[in-house]
Amino acid sequence: EILLTQSPATLSLSPGERATLSCRASQSIATFLAWYQQKPGQAPRLLIYDVSHRATGIPPRFSGSGSGTDFSLTISSLEPEDFAVYYCQQRSNWPLTFGGGTKVEIK
Amino acid sequence: QVQLQESGPGLVKPSEALSLTCTVSGGSLSTFYWTWIRQPPGKGLECIGYIYYSGSTNYNPSLKSRVTISVDTSKNQFYLRLNSMTPADTAVYYCARGSAGFDPWGQGIPVTVSS
Repeated sequence: EILLTQSPATLSLSPGERATLSCRASQSIATFLAWYQQKPGQAPRLLIYDVSHRATGIPPRFSGSGSGTDFSLTISSLEPEDFAVYYCQQRSNWPLTFGGGTKVEIK
Repeated sequence: QVQLQESGPGLVKPSEALSLTCTVSGGSLSTFYWTWIRQPPGKGLECIGYIYYSGSTNYNPSLKSRVTISVDTSKNQFYLRLNSMTPADTAVYYCARGSAGFDPWGQGIPVTVSS
């Protein structure tokens, strides 16, 4: 099973600041990585698939990069609605697995 | 616009089986793969398994002995059965459409295992 390690666990930032979230895989997953945003009481929402492709309706302030084992999600300028938990997920190997999440909180 | 909705019991007794239904509206089950994912309270996400429209399945090895996912394309529904439930299976259960990512998701159904 591929382990995804997300860091940091919590990111404390102010609106308007840049957020950079990391996801590291225990083995190469090529570019088969997605990112999700989850707010309390809601289902996760797909943000990015295949490392850098924004899902439908996702604003351009969200971007992804990386390949192999190291990936990142960047939010260029945090909006109030961006404070949430973010998960990465790989689809390279079965079982599909998720990272443990990064909480982006208001500083 | 495709929408998914989970339905089923919110409370299951230990050792009993959980049966959930995911109803898909606004689209057909005839493509993509259809997935069950769960999230224990305050924890992360676990992929339980998926079914292709053709009926082929794949289950998480950690749950494989207890899980069955099936589909009824005529009803635009797919199903989860999880046997021998324990309190460790308490979670919010989501259904989702799978492709390069999971999108969309149902709203989730909380399931508690308790006597």
